Amino acid sequence: EAGVAQSPRYKIIEKRQSVAFWCNPISGHATLYWYQQILGQGPKLLIQFQNNGVVDDSQLPKDRFSAERLKGVDSTLKIQPAKLEDSAVYLCASSLLLRGPGNTIYFGEGSWLTVV
Amino acid sequence: KQEVTQIPAALSVPEGENLVLNCSFTDSAIYNLQWFRQDPGKGLTSLLLIQSSQREQTSGRLNASLDKSSGRSTLYIAASQPGDSATYLCAATNTGGFKTIFGAGTRLFVKA
Repeated sequence: EAGVAQSPRYKIIEKRQSVAFWCNPISGHATLYWYQQILGQGPKLLIQFQNNGVVDDSQLPKDRFSAERLKGVDSTLKIQPAKLEDSAVYLCASSLLLRGPGNTIYFGEGSWLTVV
Repeated sequence: KQEVTQIPAALSVPEGENLVLNCSFTDSAIYNLQWFRQDPGKGLTSLLLIQSSQREQTSGRLNASLDKSSGRSTLYIAASQPGDSATYLCAATNTGGFKTIFGAGTRLFVKA
């Protein structure tokens, strides 16, 4: 079974530039998550989708971050314009269900962003 | 608002030692609690998931317990090995909204 795929793995941009990250969840997984992990900290949930609807985006800085999950499968996370404090690893994850025995969350390898 | 805390932040033990990692959460209305492992430069790998109705889960040398009333979970690692060196994170999923909140993790180093 293929895992959660993310790209690009690494990105270096200048502040005020834009960047987009792509995620392909495990086939059949209805729930998709984007987390931001700053070095030395635990992951912080940015946005959570159930199919193509948003379940929670309360910690997404909506003035600069946007995310979409078209057709309830792949997802894209965009940052525009980037700030220095956006330097982090962006982790995409998926789970079969939002609740129930299929709630185990599977993570991708992450997209490392450095803003200079 | 759910907050998850992990103590200690870092731990160094000799090979073969049994050890316990601690996780506490402020809101007992959780749906489940998960333990993850993260190796440097990698994503997170799920180790154990405990549903709110369960008290513990076991997988090989790992045993995780859950006490909702006290807001605590522990991860017990038996006979530690150098390959166990990694960061271990716990995450609580709340019943309302099913939002999963992570702790900052415990960095474990097992010396050969």
